[in-house]
Amino acid sequence: QVQLQESGPGLVKPSQTLSLTCTVSGASISSGNHYWSWIRQPPGKGLEWIGYIYYSGSAYYNSSLKSRLAISVDTSKNQFSLNLTSVTAADTAMYYCARISGRAAALDYWGQGTLVTVSS
Amino acid sequence: EVVLTQSPGTLSLSPGERATLSCRASQTLSTRNLAWYQQKPGQAPRLLIYGASSRATGIPDRFSGSGSGTDFTLTISRLEPEDFAVYYCQQYGSSLWTFGQGTKVEIK
Repeated sequence: QVQLQESGPGLVKPSQTLSLTCTVSGASISSGNHYWSWIRQPPGKGLEWIGYIYYSGSAYYNSSLKSRLAISVDTSKNQFSLNLTSVTAADTAMYYCARISGRAAALDYWGQGTLVTVSS
Repeated sequence: EVVLTQSPGTLSLSPGERATLSCRASQTLSTRNLAWYQQKPGQAPRLLIYGASSRATGIPDRFSGSGSGTDFTLTISRLEPEDFAVYYCQQYGSSLWTFGQGTKVEIK
């Protein structure tokens, strides 16, 4: 059974960097069969795609976040990570990691999510 | 960037009724790149439909997806109590993903 688990600080100060890691079990990132994605959801609002990455390190980002965003992968640990710099209160959200299906452009497995609050 | 517009914003129905949710794209989409998700309070979204019309693993057959081009529909043939939730459509194109704003299906 494929499982994803987000981890990282729940509170980040404004102007600092938000760093999260997604640990994958039940599937191997290095198999190259899937891409791996980050999505976020501000409290009470809808879903926003952040970006995705392949095991090779090739990454694609939401244009609205691109200047502050870096997604990386560590195949030895079967993890991928998100770094978002210069955060503001607008970055407060539930952050989800997810796997992109090999059959279609859809997110077939999701982590439970981690709430990150940006506040001093 | 493709914009997805979902309607209605809220759908008030009773258990046993039929639900029809719409997702309209600002550009023509490949059907392979359109998906639907269900999200309940406090939970991560769950994939329902991929490729516009294929049910994901374990999804009951009362859920069906249809459409092509710019107009797509999610139909729930007979609402069960556990189906009251928020539903999102999602598309992929040119290495970018977008979600619709969601339709809430609530108990009337």
